Amino acid sequence: EAQVTQNPRYLITVTGKKLTVTCSQNMNHEYMSWYRQDPGLGLRQIYYSMNVEVTDKGDVPEGYKVSRKEKRNFPLILESPSPNQTSLYFCASSLSGFGNSPLHFGNGTRLTVT
Amino acid sequence: GENVEQHPSTLSVQEGDSAVIKCTYSDSASNYFPWYKQELGKGPQLIIDIRSNVGEKKDQRIAVTLNKTAKHFSLHITETQPEDSAVYFCAASAGGTSYGKLTFGQGTILTVHP
Repeated sequence: EAQVTQNPRYLITVTGKKLTVTCSQNMNHEYMSWYRQDPGLGLRQIYYSMNVEVTDKGDVPEGYKVSRKEKRNFPLILESPSPNQTSLYFCASSLSGFGNSPLHFGNGTRLTVT
Repeated sequence: GENVEQHPSTLSVQEGDSAVIKCTYSDSASNYFPWYKQELGKGPQLIIDIRSNVGEKKDQRIAVTLNKTAKHFSLHITETQPEDSAVYFCAASAGGTSYGKLTFGQGTILTVHP
């Protein structure tokens, strides 16, 4: 089944403790992206990747890192999480990155930073 | 960069009524306008999209209209059913140097009462 898989689904952590949220897609998509969803703010793009070893900042990249060493994986790294990074995170992928290919989303990771 | 405004933030209708959600965008270079539906506990899913060379597109009970001059686009759902209850997001993709970026609206919570 074609899908985007994120892990974990729920994560509670403390300020400053490094964490990684994994994302994997099995559709051989070139483009992958991370979004955060906050009430009243919609989905805001954190980072995106047009292909392996090619990443770029979205609208809210501060406090996050990403890497794209393989086509299928696009982990999101929070080196020193803070409470304002408490949010619902979505990974997404699409065939191409030119904004006109449908995005396939994972089921989300709800992160709480205390 | 692109800015997408979505209204209303919440919409409540009776089963069988129509629902309309409106979005405006700022970048006249935007050329791709998808709509996503997010059900509880899941990631958003594409339901319909429209490109800038088309004024209207229909898929069964769902239609999208685009007015490039006014820079707004709308989602129309006819004969609403309880299973249409969800959060709906519009988005716009800007061309040029913003390739790879899809900017989302703030979301509309649609509730269809039986």
